[in-house]
Amino acid sequence: DAGVIQSPRHEVTEMGQEVTLRCKPISGHNSLFWYRQTMMRGLELLIYFNNNVPIDDSGMPEDRFSAKMPNASFSTLKIQPSEPRDSAVYFCASTSDNSPLHFGNGTRLTVT
Amino acid sequence: AQSVTQPDIHITVSEGASLELRCNYSYGATPYLFWYVQSPGQGLQLLLKYFSGDTLVQGIKGFEAEFKRSQSSFNLRKPSVHWSDAAEYFCAVGALYSSASKIIFGSGTRLSIRP
Repeated sequence: DAGVIQSPRHEVTEMGQEVTLRCKPISGHNSLFWYRQTMMRGLELLIYFNNNVPIDDSGMPEDRFSAKMPNASFSTLKIQPSEPRDSAVYFCASTSDNSPLHFGNGTRLTVT
Repeated sequence: AQSVTQPDIHITVSEGASLELRCNYSYGATPYLFWYVQSPGQGLQLLLKYFSGDTLVQGIKGFEAEFKRSQSSFNLRKPSVHWSDAAEYFCAVGALYSSASKIIFGSGTRLSIRP
């Protein structure tokens, strides 16, 4: 079991650029979560999917953020255009029914 | 509204001393609860979980937690801390018996160990 795989590990980009974060959940897991972690706000839930369908995106901060899950083994979180305040560590996590979340190692995003 | 409260932002204890980290939750459904630990620059690792049954659950690294429904609490304890326990600890809650439940986290408690 390779665990939840996120890419890239680090992303440095300039303000205004598009950023795409990627996540491969654990095979067999049917729920996928995107979280953002900052010193000020802690660990915020952005969006989560169940069986590839977005269930709750109320945590997505603005229309600049979008997430997709085209199939059970892949999800993306896109920020367009990016801003310096988007700098954070973004975590993807997956789970199956009533099981603990398994986290990826995160993507550290820096927007200059 | 769903929420998880960890009232202690930062705790410092001496090595060998006992530890209790507090967690209170508010959730509309029957909860299932977790504690995670995060070392600097790392992802989150599961310490323990409570779904049902015995309200005192054991986890890895010598940690345990007790679910108290009447107090909506799920406090984490360890009888004797080690320097390697210095990290950030997060409490989380989801809805039991739901196939698509929202899992939310507290703001975390940073634990420092005094030599």
